[in-house]
Amino acid sequence: SQTIHQWPATLVQPVGSPLSLECTVEGTSNPNLYWYRQAAGRGLQLLFYSVGIGQISSEVPQNLSASRPQDRQFILSSKKLLLSDSGFYLCAWYRDSNTGELFFGEGSRLTVL
Amino acid sequence: RKEVEQDPGPFNVPEGATVAFNCTYSNSASQSFFWYRQDCRKEPKLLMSVYSSGNEDGRFTAQLNRASQYISLLIRDSKLSDSATYLCVVNARTGGFKTIFGAGTRLFVKA
Repeated sequence: SQTIHQWPATLVQPVGSPLSLECTVEGTSNPNLYWYRQAAGRGLQLLFYSVGIGQISSEVPQNLSASRPQDRQFILSSKKLLLSDSGFYLCAWYRDSNTGELFFGEGSRLTVL
Repeated sequence: RKEVEQDPGPFNVPEGATVAFNCTYSNSASQSFFWYRQDCRKEPKLLMSVYSSGNEDGRFTAQLNRASQYISLLIRDSKLSDSATYLCVVNARTGGFKTIFGAGTRLFVKA
């Protein structure tokens, strides 16, 4: 079966510290992968997407970066976190490429203090 | 104007009530539509797709009005377990997909 795993599930980081969130997909190959952020009380915002290894597109300028080192691995990073980076980070892919149904990982909740 | 707008609620309803959520979208080229359910501190999960002909899944009915650019979700006979945030999701096809999420409508069902 097709699944997405995200790690870690929860983390609390001080301002200025680095960040690495990992997303791993199973049961499919060459997926298009997406990173979304959901801030408290707000809709999901697309941050990055990747159509293949080493290919990253950024949707919004920000303090974050993404990498696709392997076909089924998508990583979200920051060198120095800001308070505004707090939020719920979700990795996703289009389970149905005809209709555009998105399937999400369990998410990583980041609190920057 | 937001691309996808929803009433944020919260909607507080008793068990057994019927509740309706509305959503409007601004991109007339939008092609596919969904309702997702998001439980507290969890990821969104697909509830149902929305078709022009309307579709029903048990107690849930979704409707799409392309002319008015309006989507609705009706929940009949509300259960405590229906308490969640309901996200309206709209896709436009521009090469790949452009997916826009509403901010969600919060529902509380009380005994």
